[in-house]
Amino acid sequence: SQQGEEDPQALSIQEGENATMNCSYKTSINNLQWYRQNSGRGLVHLILIRSNEREKHSGRLRVTLDTSKKSSSLLITASRAADTASYFCATDAQGGGADGLTFGKGTHLIIQP
Amino acid sequence: KAGVTQTPRYLIKTRGQQVTLSCSPISGHRSVSWYQQTPGQGLQFLFEYFSETQRNKGNFPGRFSGRQFSNSRSEMNVSTLELGDSALYLCASSFGNREGEKLFFGSGTQLSVL
Repeated sequence: SQQGEEDPQALSIQEGENATMNCSYKTSINNLQWYRQNSGRGLVHLILIRSNEREKHSGRLRVTLDTSKKSSSLLITASRAADTASYFCATDAQGGGADGLTFGKGTHLIIQP
Repeated sequence: KAGVTQTPRYLIKTRGQQVTLSCSPISGHRSVSWYQQTPGQGLQFLFEYFSETQRNKGNFPGRFSGRQFSNSRSEMNVSTLELGDSALYLCASSFGNREGEKLFFGSGTQLSVL
């Protein structure tokens, strides 16, 4: 079952603009991760935020986590054509469980040059 | 440091056949997880192996099985293939010792069932 759900499903912006993607999840988590996938390839880890953290930065990436709303957002600033990819949130549920790391269906981001 | 290697990259099979996919994790990683990715269902967890033992299993039928060898390399097998098994199969490795570890993914095996 899908734990995380990304919103929007697709996003198209101009190069240089900021891109914001949101993720909602259902159960209590230990941490939430964001991954990027270029077309037909494997996923690449971007950033991890733990349940006791509210915000984290990594280069042009900013992630927020609101455990009371069970939601997270990923902001990519000053977007580049190379940022075109699908972005997934993944949650690690508290108490473990048999689902491993659970991924949402992703946001497909297109950066227009 | 070599990344996660999956072979083969592409595979075409017909219904009823079986297939074996291979995954070599990053050196030192003892956990290997397998995921199935389809446009409709997204990424779905198949199973995780750690030190040659299946540690977690997703909600897939028994036609899907896996194993892990003493060198941490892993294989997954799908028997009696169905059209719906067409997907990108991704494996991911990690040290497997802590909750919330990041996963390192291979490029995947694209399986087409005709």
